[in-house]
Amino acid sequence: DIVMTQSPLFLPVTPGEPASISCRSSQSLVHSNGHNYLDWYLQKPGQSPQLLIYLASNRASGVPDRFSGSVSGTDFTLKISRVEAEDVGVYYCMQSLQTPSFGQGTKLEIK
Amino acid sequence: EVQLVQSGAEVKMPGESLKISCKGSGYSFSNYWIGWVRQMPGKGLEWMGIIYPGDSDTRYRLSFQGQVTISADTSISTAYLQWSSLRASDTATYYCARSRVRGTFDAFDMWGQGTMVTVSS
Repeated sequence: DIVMTQSPLFLPVTPGEPASISCRSSQSLVHSNGHNYLDWYLQKPGQSPQLLIYLASNRASGVPDRFSGSVSGTDFTLKISRVEAEDVGVYYCMQSLQTPSFGQGTKLEIK
Repeated sequence: EVQLVQSGAEVKMPGESLKISCKGSGYSFSNYWIGWVRQMPGKGLEWMGIIYPGDSDTRYRLSFQGQVTISADTSISTAYLQWSSLRASDTATYYCARSRVRGTFDAFDMWGQGTMVTVSS
């Protein structure tokens, strides 16, 4: 199984400041089509998860452009350029190259 | 509007059977993978398995193989997750979710509201 390791697990952020979450894969997530099969989800308190980023760097429909995803080898990063109060929740990465697996989750809170 | 609507919360005793549902609307149900994700109380997300309703192709995470059954009925655009004998450790919220694109799976772009299952004697 591919293991996904997120850091940090807890992220307090001041509104208006940037935030960054890391997700490391135990092996390459590059598909034969050249895409990295890594997604980012946000689960807001009391809600179902929602898709933020797919294939490592593509924003899902309706996702604000302050969210961005990037990749370097097996290291994936989700960046929020300026955190807003509505961004609180738990962020998960998920690989879908093989039997899908999620990271442990990163809880973002407002300072 | 694309929607996935799940069945309501359940309270069961250990050893009982259960089948929960996920009804899709607003899109071609047969042509998108539907997956199931478990979230135990206070814990993270676990991918359980996935089905392609068009041909019932089903894949399971190894740890859930034989523990649950995923099925779908295209005539009523509904996917199911079922247990033949529940355990206390099955207590969790279960989400269904739809694949982002037709015919293939790389992400879930639509999620149901979740079904809370409580197993207790």
